[in-house]
Amino acid sequence: NAGVTQTPKFRVLKTGQSMTLLCAQDMNHEYMYWYRQDPGMGLRLIHYSVGEGTTAKGEVPDGYNVSRLKKQNFLLGLESAAPSQTSVYFCASMGLREKIYEQYFGPGTRLTVT
Amino acid sequence: AQSVTQPDIHITVSEGASLELRCNYSYGATPYLFWYVQSPGQGLQLLLKYFSGDTLVQGIKGFEAEFKRSQSSFNLRKPSVHWSDAAEYFCASGSYNTDKLIFGTGTRLQVFP
Repeated sequence: NAGVTQTPKFRVLKTGQSMTLLCAQDMNHEYMYWYRQDPGMGLRLIHYSVGEGTTAKGEVPDGYNVSRLKKQNFLLGLESAAPSQTSVYFCASMGLREKIYEQYFGPGTRLTVT
Repeated sequence: AQSVTQPDIHITVSEGASLELRCNYSYGATPYLFWYVQSPGQGLQLLLKYFSGDTLVQGIKGFEAEFKRSQSSFNLRKPSVHWSDAAEYFCASGSYNTDKLIFGTGTRLQVFP
């Protein structure tokens, strides 16, 4: 099992450009999450999904959109990047079998917006 | 609303010394509690978790944590720190009726030889 993978690992964007981050998991997990990590602020939830075709807003959703067309994939889009979106982005997944509520994390994507 | 507080932003210890990282949670019912570790440039790895039962839980890499309801705490401990333990540590809480985890702001551990 690869677990949770994220593509790309690094990206530099100019202000106003758009991009999509891909998260894939091979554990058949129902739930998937996108977080951003900034110094001194821990992890903040952007959007999440409780199943294929469903998405919900987290703590800091503005400026981001998501889609979950397939159970194993969760996409995070930035339509018009801003310097404030410079961050490290983590994807996570969680399964509900046996009431196991722990989240499994990907390696992260470091995004710089200039 | 749920919240998680890690009062220590940065802790420095000598290799071989004992370690305790503090975590306080705010939640009415019994929360699910987690400790994750993040090595530089890496994702988060689960160290241990508490759902119910024995309040002292053992995790990987020689770590343990104790759930104290009276103090709303879930402190992480290790009796003897190794240089490879240098990393950032995150406490998180959830519950049976929520889909989300709330993370603390993290504690960065530095280990001196």
